[in-house]
Amino acid sequence: GQQLNQSPQSMFIQEGEDVSMNCTSSSIFNTWLWYKQDPGEGPVLLIALYKAGELTSNGRLTAQFGITRKDSFLNISASIPSDVGIYFCAGQLQSVNTGTASKLTFGTGTRLQVTL
Amino acid sequence: EAQVTQNPRYLITVTGKKLTVTCSQNMNHEYMSWYRQDPGLGLRQIYYSMNVEVTDKGDVPEGYKVSRKEKRNFPLILESPSPNQTSLYFCASSPDRGPFTDTQYFGPGTRLTVL
Repeated sequence: GQQLNQSPQSMFIQEGEDVSMNCTSSSIFNTWLWYKQDPGEGPVLLIALYKAGELTSNGRLTAQFGITRKDSFLNISASIPSDVGIYFCAGQLQSVNTGTASKLTFGTGTRLQVTL
Repeated sequence: EAQVTQNPRYLITVTGKKLTVTCSQNMNHEYMSWYRQDPGLGLRQIYYSMNVEVTDKGDVPEGYKVSRKEKRNFPLILESPSPNQTSLYFCASSPDRGPFTDTQYFGPGTRLTVL
């Protein structure tokens, strides 16, 4: 099936630093999603993007839907210790006519660790 | 409380012994899905269902079966488990099969070990 390449795989940063991660695909999507997973829990949706070029923020998080529809970026500003976790991108292709969802494809994840 | 529940949370079994992992949601969601999570591979979709009696294969359906007889339940069945199905499994549900399917609520996960 499709694969999403997510980078970096892991990163160590200091509290207060900004973080950037990205996701690229070999094919297009019309929805990009970013999730965060804390240890021992399921993923939680952070941001959803629906249009190419769209830039959306959720607090200190900002995500962009790439113009080519094959990539997306997530930025976290002024990181704090609770930002620790694994961040996943996910792409979905929905029927434009019916809005019917197809399968959701996840990236391999970026493990973020924040040091004080 | 709105939630997705999975049972069991942990299971150790042996090769070939049929098992079922249950998933239930109390939010009246139409869309439900199963994923497996493996180190370095992220989450991969096994099966999804857009409504009662409607199921479709995800990226890795081999060795799994599902059923959707009721809206709230979406069990995952392993007829003859093998060690390569050792993984962490997540069930998820979403309120609508339209644009809101991205708002997926995930269950707490089931860690399965097949010996």
